[in-house]
Amino acid sequence: GENVEQHPSTLSVQEGDSAVIKCTYSDSASNYFPWYKQELGKGPQLIIDIRSNVGEKKDQRIAVTLNKTAKHFSLHITETQPEDSAVYFCAAMGAAGNKLTFGGGTRVLVKP
Amino acid sequence: NAGVTQTPKFQVLKTGQSMTLQCAQDMNHNSMYWYRQDPGMGLRLIYYSASEGTTDKGEVPNGYNVSRLNKREFSLRLESAAPSQTSVYFCAIKTGPNYGYTFGSGTRLTVV
Repeated sequence: GENVEQHPSTLSVQEGDSAVIKCTYSDSASNYFPWYKQELGKGPQLIIDIRSNVGEKKDQRIAVTLNKTAKHFSLHITETQPEDSAVYFCAAMGAAGNKLTFGGGTRVLVKP
Repeated sequence: NAGVTQTPKFQVLKTGQSMTLQCAQDMNHNSMYWYRQDPGMGLRLIYYSASEGTTDKGEVPNGYNVSRLNKREFSLRLESAAPSQTSVYFCAIKTGPNYGYTFGSGTRLTVV
């Protein structure tokens, strides 16, 4: 089955700096890659996603890039703010399109 | 996490006790999922249901059973709880062609 690895497991940045989280996946047939943000005591919430026919997608301060050849994708957060502090998960959807496999998560701390 | 309701929010069980975690959606989607979240392990799929009346095993199904009696509800049952089942459990629905998941707010279960 699909295997998704996520790095780093923790990330501390100064407010205003950029944060980058990287994920790799194993199933070359995977075609959908969402990112979720989880705040303390809440369920994960979708923040951005990308499909296999696109190399990059941007939404305000967040962007995701995908390299299908290398089987890795990344989340970029620019001009970080304290409210960006949370746990972030990457995920990959296999070709069957019936379930997501998640990475282990990255705890991001933005220091004022 | 409007649209997906999980009950209860918290539960403490003794080893060997049984309980059912409830999940209900008001968004009329076919696919529903149960994940567990453990520190450093990300979200791991327990069971999922692609449609009413069908269920399939995920990555970590042992010790659990599920029931999808109608389109709206998907329950997760622990027949004989073990300390290894201490975790946060999330129900999710797949919100149609865009593949995005909507998660419930979770059930925090402690087995002593």
